[in-house]
Amino acid sequence: AQKVTQAQTEISVVEKEDVTLDCVYETRDTTYYLFWYKQPPSGELVFLIRRNSFDEQNEISGRYSWNFQKSTSSFNFTITASQVVDSAVYFCALSESGPRNQFYFGTGTSLTVIP
Amino acid sequence: EAQVTQNPRYLITVTGKKLTVTCSQNMNHEYMSWYRQDPGLGLRQIYYSMNVEVTDKGDVPEGYKVSRKEKRNFPLILESPSPNQTSLYFCASSLYPEEGTEAFFGQGTRLTVV
Repeated sequence: AQKVTQAQTEISVVEKEDVTLDCVYETRDTTYYLFWYKQPPSGELVFLIRRNSFDEQNEISGRYSWNFQKSTSSFNFTITASQVVDSAVYFCALSESGPRNQFYFGTGTSLTVIP
Repeated sequence: EAQVTQNPRYLITVTGKKLTVTCSQNMNHEYMSWYRQDPGLGLRQIYYSMNVEVTDKGDVPEGYKVSRKEKRNFPLILESPSPNQTSLYFCASSLYPEEGTEAFFGQGTRLTVV
């Protein structure tokens, strides 16, 4: 069975602080894919990043960075110098290889950035 | 612009009155799916379709139907809606699901059944 855990339900930070959103996953597959999506107050789901299980390189995109560690089954997301526009619900998701392509979503972390 | 379009965005209906939520994508994706989002539960898959005329159940299919007569469209049908189907619904499509490509999501449909 696949499972994604986002233990942090809600986080509040003051603008310009750094914040890390945790994601822990479970899977028996050797080939799998991890994702982060952002859901702003308007409700749509915005794709942020995709990682496959064979690529443990960390990635940085502007103020966003992701740390993938297979040894701990974690795929954490850090926002540096947070801004009010970062306020949203963030979802971590896992999908396995194969035609079903089902996304297993975590329950989401609601981030509020206080000006 | 590449997109997944759902309609309507908001819907309030009464118990038992059949409704359809439409979903259309313009990216020529073969794979499409429906999810529902509920507080504390994240998103859960309702149905998915790997190609035209090929559909299958996800984790929470009870009370829903789908059809895939054309590649671009994947409507979600609630034959007899009940209050426990009040939720936020998302349609999604993917290009190469077997390679784990990202899912593109529609804007969401907020359904309330009273």
